[in-house]
Amino acid sequence: GENVEQHPSTLSVQEGDSAVIKCTYSDSASNYFPWYKQELGKRPQLIIDIRSNVGEKKDQRIAVTLNKTAKHFSLHITETQPEDSAVYFCAASIPGDSWGKLQFGAGTQVVVTP
Amino acid sequence: DVKVTQSSRYLVKRTGEKVFLECVQDMDHENMFWYRQDPGLGLRLIYFSYDVKMKEKGDIPEGYSVSREKKERFSLILESASTNQTSMYLCASRTGQGVIGYTFGSGTRLTVV
Repeated sequence: GENVEQHPSTLSVQEGDSAVIKCTYSDSASNYFPWYKQELGKRPQLIIDIRSNVGEKKDQRIAVTLNKTAKHFSLHITETQPEDSAVYFCAASIPGDSWGKLQFGAGTQVVVTP
Repeated sequence: DVKVTQSSRYLVKRTGEKVFLECVQDMDHENMFWYRQDPGLGLRLIYFSYDVKMKEKGDIPEGYSVSREKKERFSLILESASTNQTSMYLCASRTGQGVIGYTFGSGTRLTVV
């Protein structure tokens, strides 16, 4: 089945710097890749997603890139702010699955220091 | 505007107890999921349901069962709670149409003592 690896597990950045989180997936037939942000004590929330027919997607300070050949996708956060501190999860759709199941990475704890 | 509601934020139960975790969504979603979240392991799928009374095992179903008698409600049952089931439990739902992400509940932190 699909396997998703996420790196790094923790990331400390200075406010204003950029943060990059990378995920790799095992099944080239995966076609949907969402990213979730989970602030302390809150529910995971979808912040951006990308489909396999697109190489890059941006939404203000966040962007996701997808390299299908290498089977990896990355989350980029520019001009980081303290409110970006959270755990970020990547996920990949499971090929052949009709029910929308996702395989999640282990998560990245991002700490933005002022 | 809470759309996926988990009935309890925190629960403390004793080993051997039968535990019910409830999840209700008001978005008329077909698909509902139960995950457990553990540090370093991410989110692991326990069970999911794609329709009323329909259920399928996920990656770690052992020690759990589920019930979906109504479309909006999906219950996770720990038949005999054990300490290794201490975890954060997250419910999620999505429409059955198309390729989109989940809406998560706020989670239930269960401690089994």
